[in-house]
This record gives sequence, structure tokens and C-alpha cells, in this order.
Amino acid sequence: ILNVEQSPQSLHVQEGDSTNFTCSFPSSNFYALHWYRWETAKSPEALFVMTLNGDEKKKGRISATLNTKEGYSYLYIKGSQPEDSATYLCASRVTGNQFYFGTGTSLTVIP
Amino acid sequence: DAGITQSPRHKVTETGTPVTLRCHQTENHRYMYWYRQDPGHGLRLIHYSYGVKDTDKGEVSDGYSVSRSKTEDFLLTLESATSSQTSVYFCAISERTSGGGTDTQYFGPGTRLTVL
Repeated sequence: ILNVEQSPQSLHVQEGDSTNFTCSFPSSNFYALHWYRWETAKSPEALFVMTLNGDEKKKGRISATLNTKEGYSYLYIKGSQPEDSATYLCASRVTGNQFYFGTGTSLTVIP
Repeated sequence: DAGITQSPRHKVTETGTPVTLRCHQTENHRYMYWYRQDPGHGLRLIHYSYGVKDTDKGEVSDGYSVSRSKTEDFLLTLESATSSQTSVYFCAISERTSGGGTDTQYFGPGTRLTVL
């Protein structure tokens, strides 16, 4: 079992604020780091997959970075909007094709 | 859309009864997964499959069995349901992202199971 941790557990921000959260994972046997966006009553939706140390990915106002040597990834949201409200999950994939998920960061954007 | 469906979407059953959940995919993906989602635990892997009749245990496999007799269907069975198995169950497939790179997972809509 892999211990993947996310912080903070929940976050409330005002519309227009920028925010970021952290995913920590063990560096050993690392293969890839995945970020998902999960809206209430829906299924998780893939945002990013990163594999290399120093990787950066961007989709609109959301971006992510990866540090495999120290075992962390950051997810950034610039200019948060109410529609960004969701739980953001990260998952570490190790060799062998198993995915280990964190418990998520619940983001609420207040209009 | 990775063409994943789950059935049933909701089920209420009694302790001790057998329950089978079905995950169906239409796009011939090799890897399929069953997760359960519980408050404070995120998604936890129950079992996964890497091909027809090829399955392996995840971190919370006790009390569950799976079968994959054809590529498109991955069945999760609770032989004798217990109240601790009340949860939301998600099926997922993994698919290689376009342009190379690594697999990403796509999830089905989930099955809410209540064991009384």
C-alpha cells in the first residue's frame, strides 16, 4: 500500500483568487502522477498525467508541476471561478499498473 | 468518453446476500479496475484486471471476488454482503493518452450499494 497524501483537505476561496494544493507521494517505484477533478454526483475526470521530474502541464487556468525526487506535485488554479468547485484527487501510479489515490482536496469557490 | 457503463447504478440489499456488480466497456481496453469510495479514504483499489481471465488483488480485496471472461465485462462479486461493504463502487479503465505517454484512467458513473 502506497501512502499518497493531499493537503489541504478542504479550501474555500473567493472568486478570482488563485490557489494551489499539494500531493505528496513516495518516490520509490514511481511511474506517473495523475490529477483528477471530481464533481459531486459525477465520476472523476482526468486532468493531467506527468511522469518526468520537472514536468509541467497546463489546461486553461489550471496547471500542475511534478518533483519526483522529493515526491510532490502541486496543482495551481489561477483566477478561481465557481465552476472550479470540486474535489481534486491525485494518484500515484507505480510500476505494475496500480494507482494509489490520495483523499482529495475539496475546493469551494465563493462567488 | 471511454464508453464505460456500470449496472446497477443503485442497489439496496441485506446482509448475507450475494451481490454482483457489472462494468461494461465498449472500446476494448486491456486494463479494468474496481474501486470503492468511502468518506475519509478517497478511492481504494479492490481488484484489477490486465486481460481476459487475468486479475489481481488491490489493497482492499477481502470479501470481494472478480471475473473477466471477456474483454468488455469486469464483474465484482460480494459473496456474502456485509454492512461494511456499503459504499460507492467505481469501475475504471486505463487508456494510453494520445501522442504516446502513459496510461490515464477513465471512470464509470459509479454504483451506490447499501447493505442493510
